[in-house]
Amino acid sequence: EPEVTQTPSHQVTQMGQEVILRCVPISNHLYFYWYRQILGQKVEFLVSFYNNEISEKSEIFDDQFSVERPDGSNFTLKIRSTKLEDSAMYFCASSGQGPSEQYFGPGTRLTVT
Amino acid sequence: QQQVKQSPQSLIVQKGGISIINCAYENTAFDYFPWYQQFPGKGPALLIAIRPDVSEKKEGRFTISFNKSAKQFSLHIMDSQPGDSATYFCAANSDGGATNKLIFGTGTLLAVQP
Repeated sequence: EPEVTQTPSHQVTQMGQEVILRCVPISNHLYFYWYRQILGQKVEFLVSFYNNEISEKSEIFDDQFSVERPDGSNFTLKIRSTKLEDSAMYFCASSGQGPSEQYFGPGTRLTVT
Repeated sequence: QQQVKQSPQSLIVQKGGISIINCAYENTAFDYFPWYQQFPGKGPALLIAIRPDVSEKKEGRFTISFNKSAKQFSLHIMDSQPGDSATYFCAANSDGGATNKLIFGTGTLLAVQP
């Protein structure tokens, strides 16, 4: 069964450093998303990406964040200068013909020290 | 108006019992309501979903009941098993609308005791 994959599973970085989280969405999917989940809290939307551009972003997704689909398979989230409050699980998701059925990856645990 | 309210926060059910989790929404533009199951350290897994044109959807032991007039929907897990112990999130989005993000509820931690 096709699945969304994410690397790394755990990333530890120092405050102020740049991190890139990587995702490989399900191959024939057209919509891509990043969400985050602070420990013990609900899943929060960050950004959606369709047709090679951002279609929607939340207030969390400020200028420190960027997304890219550098090739036909990868989808990345970059945090330019990490802050302590960026520590969270980051989930990539993808959906096929429409934005409804979103399938999530296993997540990357980002720890900023 | 973008919120989805979920209750209870936690739930303990005996093996073989029925687990019921409730969600309520305000935004009438929402037209897709999924439930996700999340095990510790894993990503949310799509469990079952419903659209407002039906009042109930059943897949195996999992049933969604939907009340459009009350703007509420619920997940029923029949014959609950210890393997069902996980956090359950309801969500909503507007498939045909301007937004395609999922709005998640706050989650329910379900423990099924053997």
